[in-house]
Amino acid sequence: DAGITQSPRHKVTETGTPVTLRCHQTENHRYMYWYRQDPGHGLRLIHYSYGVKDTDKGEVSDGYSVSRSKTEDFLLTLESATSSQTSVYFCAISEALGGPYEQYFGPGTRLTVT
Amino acid sequence: DQQVKQNSPSLSVQEGRISILNCDYTNSMFDYFLWYKKYPAEGPTFLISISSIKDKNEDGRFTVFLNKSAKHLSLHIVPSQPGDSAVYFCAASEDDYKLSFGAGTTVTVRA
Repeated sequence: DAGITQSPRHKVTETGTPVTLRCHQTENHRYMYWYRQDPGHGLRLIHYSYGVKDTDKGEVSDGYSVSRSKTEDFLLTLESATSSQTSVYFCAISEALGGPYEQYFGPGTRLTVT
Repeated sequence: DQQVKQNSPSLSVQEGRISILNCDYTNSMFDYFLWYKKYPAEGPTFLISISSIKDKNEDGRFTVFLNKSAKHLSLHIVPSQPGDSAVYFCAASEDDYKLSFGAGTTVTVRA
């Protein structure tokens, strides 16, 4: 299994508070991704990174920011959490660049915003 | 608008029989397709993939078929086993690094 960890695994927070989720990899893969999984929507890309300090938006990036200061760590921040951001968040990694295109996922973080 | 669609939210199949999962896509630029399997409280795991230059790829009990003209792919699991009960996601890519996912199909294998 790819070495990907996510922390915390579960979090309950209140509306309006900032929240940071961490993804850590030991595979030295170039690409890292944050997804959210919601019923009826599958996995939707929030942000991704193609190198240290290089990030770009995905399809559902509003209300989220990311940072990557080291190859192994990719942080997702909810600047002011809302109930619509209650979801399961997955981090993924990929070497990409000419293939293979497979992404490998972490175990997920279940976030509840009350 | 979702570019990858899995129109069957669930599928129930008897152990030992074939499971057929379907996936349709709208973006003709997609050139690589993948299937992921997900158990509750775990992350998705890569199952099998196919390039657009092929129409079939097989790996043990799992076979993926691609029909480019119909923009349709399917995953066949033969024979189905209890451990195959999971959510299956179809995904597609038009570049080296981003995937678009379908909404998933929950497979239940009955004893």
